[in-house]
Amino acid sequence: TQLLEQSPQFLSIQEGENLTVYCNSSSVFSSLQWYRQEPGEGPVLLVTVVTGGEVKKLKRLTFQFGDARKDSSLHITAAQPGDTGLYLCAGATSGTYKYIFGTGTRLKVLA
Amino acid sequence: ETGVTQSPTHLIKTRGQQVTLRCSSQSGHNTVSWYQQALGQGPQFIFQYYREEENGRGNFPPRFSGLQFPNYSSELNVNALELDDSALYLCASSPRTGGIGELFFGEGSRLTVL
Repeated sequence: TQLLEQSPQFLSIQEGENLTVYCNSSSVFSSLQWYRQEPGEGPVLLVTVVTGGEVKKLKRLTFQFGDARKDSSLHITAAQPGDTGLYLCAGATSGTYKYIFGTGTRLKVLA
Repeated sequence: ETGVTQSPTHLIKTRGQQVTLRCSSQSGHNTVSWYQQALGQGPQFIFQYYREEENGRGNFPPRFSGLQFPNYSSELNVNALELDDSALYLCASSPRTGGIGELFFGEGSRLTVL
């Protein structure tokens, strides 16, 4: 059974601080995605990474895919209250759209 | 461009009842996936439909069933509801282009089973 574990589960930080969220698995994925979900809404895609070692930046967010394509990290620089939400990683194996979602990291950024 | 819409947004049922949840996929998307998200958890894959056929299934019992229609909209049916079925049910559509797909989620249907 493929599992994606995220850490930490909960994170409460002050505005302006930096943070890193981790997504780990024993399985190899052909692609890995990060989503953010706000209360009462469905997840919204932030980024897709497909190549081992790949680094993508989206404004203050930096995403990295591990060399072995088993793990990923999301780093937020100078967090803002608008970054508050549930961050989910999701992995897919080759040729399918069957995503395995991680356990989620609930982030709260205090003003 | 119309996004993914789900109905109803909220509903309350009692144990043993049956429920049907509906999803209209985003324009141009022919693949629909259903996920169950329990409170405080990540979404769990239920099944996926492509061209009106089930294309894959997660670890859910047969009382979870679905349909996809020619216009690519979809239904999720759950029979003999149990208390643990209380969750947010998410529908996601994606374009079947053969490449890496982005899931476009609806806002979900929150089911409470009493």
